[in-house]
Amino acid sequence: GEQVEQLPSSLIVQEGASVLINCSYTDSASVYFPWYKQEPGKRLQFIIDIRSNMERKQNQRLTLLFDKKTKHLSLHITATQPGDSAIYFCSARPGTQVVGQLTFGSGTRLQVYA
Amino acid sequence: DPKIIQKPKYLVAVTGSEKILICEQYLGHNAMYWYRQSAKKPLEFMFSYSYQKLMDNQTASSRFQPQSSKKNHLDLQITALKPDDSATYFCASSQDRGSSDYTFGSGTRLLVI
Repeated sequence: GEQVEQLPSSLIVQEGASVLINCSYTDSASVYFPWYKQEPGKRLQFIIDIRSNMERKQNQRLTLLFDKKTKHLSLHITATQPGDSAIYFCSARPGTQVVGQLTFGSGTRLQVYA
Repeated sequence: DPKIIQKPKYLVAVTGSEKILICEQYLGHNAMYWYRQSAKKPLEFMFSYSYQKLMDNQTASSRFQPQSSKKNHLDLQITALKPDDSATYFCASSQDRGSSDYTFGSGTRLLVI
């Protein structure tokens, strides 16, 4: 089945810095890649997604890049703020068979200090 | 105002006992899911339901049984609890199985002693 790997496992940066979170997947049948953010004690919150027919998507300070050939994604967060501190999860969903099921990476814990 | 309600928020259970985790969504979604997040593993898919029917089951153990009494309910019954079942269990929903937009509940943190 699909496996999703995320790196790094943690990041500590000063406010204003940019960060890059990398994600790779194994199943070429995966076509949809949503990312979620989880603040301590809170629910997972959708932040951005991309489909396999796209290479780039931007949502304010978030930019998501997708390389279908290498099965790799990267999430770029610019001008980080303390409120960005959370665990960020990459996930992948196949376009066939088990529609609806997401496979998650292990998460990247981001800490932004003022 | 949470649109997906999970109850209880915290649960402590004794090994061998049985518990039910409650999930209700008020989004009008037709598909509901259970995921598990433990200290040792990433967030794992467990079950998906669509229109109250089981669609996908990735849980090896029959001790985990989802129950859908209403379209907007998907409870999770866990029997013969083991310490390894300790995890946070998240319920989620989407308009349909093919929908991109998942909404997650805030989770039930289960500790089995």
